[in-house]
Amino acid sequence: GIQVEQSPPDLILQEGANSTLRCNFSDSVNNLQWFHQNPWGQLINLFYIPSGTKQNGRLSATTVATERYSLLYISSSQTTDSGVYFCAVERNSNSGYALNFGKGTSLLVTP
Amino acid sequence: ETGVTQTPRHLVMGMTNKKSLKCEQHLGHNAMYWYKQSAKKPLELMFVYSLEERVENNSVPSRFSPECPNSSHLFLHLHTLQPEDSALYLCASSPYVGGVFDEQFFGPGTRLTVL
Repeated sequence: GIQVEQSPPDLILQEGANSTLRCNFSDSVNNLQWFHQNPWGQLINLFYIPSGTKQNGRLSATTVATERYSLLYISSSQTTDSGVYFCAVERNSNSGYALNFGKGTSLLVTP
Repeated sequence: ETGVTQTPRHLVMGMTNKKSLKCEQHLGHNAMYWYKQSAKKPLELMFVYSLEERVENNSVPSRFSPECPNSSHLFLHLHTLQPEDSALYLCASSPYVGGVFDEQFFGPGTRLTVL
C-alpha cells in the first residue's frame, strides 16, 4: 500500500514560535487531509487539501501533489496547539477506498 | 463537542466476553466510520458506511462486526477479542458530499482494554 511519512516525529516549541510539519507520500493520491489530536484524544479535521494552499487562522497547509508532499504551517504557536498532527492520504481504486495515515508529529508547545 | 458521541468511553473485557460499542451522530451526515488507534501505530480505517450500506471493510478480523441500522447510529460488536485488540476505537461521520472521505467529525473514542 501507499506509504505516508511524517517529519519530524517530535517537536518542542516555545509559545510564539513558528513551525513546519511535513508529510511525504509514496504514490499519487486522490486527496490529503491534516488532523490534530489533542492530548485528551479528540481528533479534529484541520484541512482537506488535495492540492494548493489553504489557510485557517494561524494554520495553513500546502500540498504539491506532483511532488508527493504536503506541509502544515503553524504560526505564533500556542500551548493549545500541543498534540499530535496526522496526515492522511486517500487513494481510491477499483479494489476499494483507502485512507492511510502517517504516524504523526507530536508537538509540545511550552509557555 | 463535535456532534459525534461514543459510548462507553472506557471498556474492559475478557477474551470470552461479547460487548458492543455505540456511536451516534447529530449532524445529519450520510457516512460513518470506525477507526482503530493502537499505541505506536498509525490510525487504521476499519469500516465505512454510506447511507447505511457498508462500502469498505479493510481486512478486519471477523471478531469485529459492524452494524449501521440508520444514518445516525453505528455499532461495533465485539466477541472473542485478543489482548492485541486493546486500543482506542474512534467513530467519525461526514456529509459524503465531496467524496468517501469528506471532512470527518470524530467522536471522543472508546478506550478498550482486553484482558
